[in-house]
Amino acid sequence: ETGVTQSPTHLIKTRGQQVTLRCSSQSGHNTVSWYQQALGQGPQFIFQYYREEENGRGNFPPRFSGLQFPNYSSELNVNALELDDSALYLCASSGPGTLYNEQFFGPGTRLTVL
Amino acid sequence: DQQVKQNSPSLSVQEGRISILNCDYTNSMFDYFLWYKKYPAEGPTFLISISSIKDKNEDGRFTVFLNKSAKHLSLHIVPSQPGDSAVYFCAASAHTGANSKLTFGKGITLSVRP
Repeated sequence: ETGVTQSPTHLIKTRGQQVTLRCSSQSGHNTVSWYQQALGQGPQFIFQYYREEENGRGNFPPRFSGLQFPNYSSELNVNALELDDSALYLCASSGPGTLYNEQFFGPGTRLTVL
Repeated sequence: DQQVKQNSPSLSVQEGRISILNCDYTNSMFDYFLWYKKYPAEGPTFLISISSIKDKNEDGRFTVFLNKSAKHLSLHIVPSQPGDSAVYFCAASAHTGANSKLTFGKGITLSVRP
């Protein structure tokens, strides 16, 4: 069973640029959630995708957008990058057979905005 | 407004002793609580959870206690081992199911001294 994978591992961008982060969910999981973890903080919910539709969104501006594909993999897109977007971006998957609200996390993508 | 609070940023205990990690929440709608452990350069790993209909859940060396009236939960690790050294996040959700979003605290860094 393959776990949640994310790419790239690290990324450096400059302010104003756009970035796309990718996530492959664990086999059998149809729900993907994205979280932003700033330094010294806990993960903060960005949004969730269920069967290719957005299924809930946290307090993030519209320049944060996402997609889920038929194979349940997902992308997080951030436009007009700001310095405060520098963070660890975590993807988590869940689905049928998941124990209660347990979500399985990937290793994250470390984004640095200069 | 932080809905899940982990007020102690760090905890150091001797190997073999008990580690007690505390968490408080403010949202009365939360009905499911989880603890995650995170090592550097890895994503959070699910540890143990508890439903609001229970006041205790035990899994091996790990026990979570929930006091709903005080909106407080704690994770007990007995006996503590050096491999338990990690950041521990308390998380909560407002309804059960794979499509729930998780609200995290800031985390507690546990150091277990040999």
